Amino acid sequence: AQKVTQAQTEISVVEKEDVTLDCVYETRDTTYYLFWYKQPPSGELVFLIRRNSFDEQNEISGRYSWNFQKSTSSFNFTITASQVVDSAVYFCALSEKNTNAGKSTFGDGTTLTVKP
Amino acid sequence: DAGITQSPRHKVTETGTPVTLRCHQTENHRYMYWYRQDPGHGLRLIHYSYGVKDTDKGEVSDGYSVSRSKTEDFLLTLESATSSQTSVYFCAISESGGTGTEAFFGQGTRLTVV
Repeated sequence: AQKVTQAQTEISVVEKEDVTLDCVYETRDTTYYLFWYKQPPSGELVFLIRRNSFDEQNEISGRYSWNFQKSTSSFNFTITASQVVDSAVYFCALSEKNTNAGKSTFGDGTTLTVKP
Repeated sequence: DAGITQSPRHKVTETGTPVTLRCHQTENHRYMYWYRQDPGHGLRLIHYSYGVKDTDKGEVSDGYSVSRSKTEDFLLTLESATSSQTSVYFCAISESGGTGTEAFFGQGTRLTVV
């Protein structure tokens, strides 16, 4: 069975601080996919990034970066120089290839508040 | 933006009444999903569809049924609404399953059962 744990329920930072959101996953599949989604106060869910289990190359996109480590089953997300607009709930999700239907298991989310 | 429309966006209903939520997509994606979002539980999969008339249960399917008679529409029915089904419901679509494509979500339906 697959499981996603986001141990940080809430994080509060001051603008311009760096912040890392943790995600730890469990799966028995050798092929799987990890995602981060953002849910701003308006409520919609927005896809941020996808990684497959064969690609441990970390990625930087502007102020966002992701650190995928299979050895520790972690897929952490860092925001550099945070801004008030980054305030949102962030979800980590896992999809196993063998589900053959793209179903995702979501973590419980981390609520990030960036104060001015 | 992916073309996903959920209706209604808000609904208040009484315990014991049937309720149907609709998800309509214009992307012609094969896979569609219904999730519910509750505080402290993230998103949990209710039912999903992998094609017209092909559906299956998710982790929290009790008390819910679905139907998909057309590629573009995926209906979620609460057969007899209970207060525990008060939640925000999200529909999602995905182009393909098992290949790691991301899901695109609708705007959500806030359902209150009184």
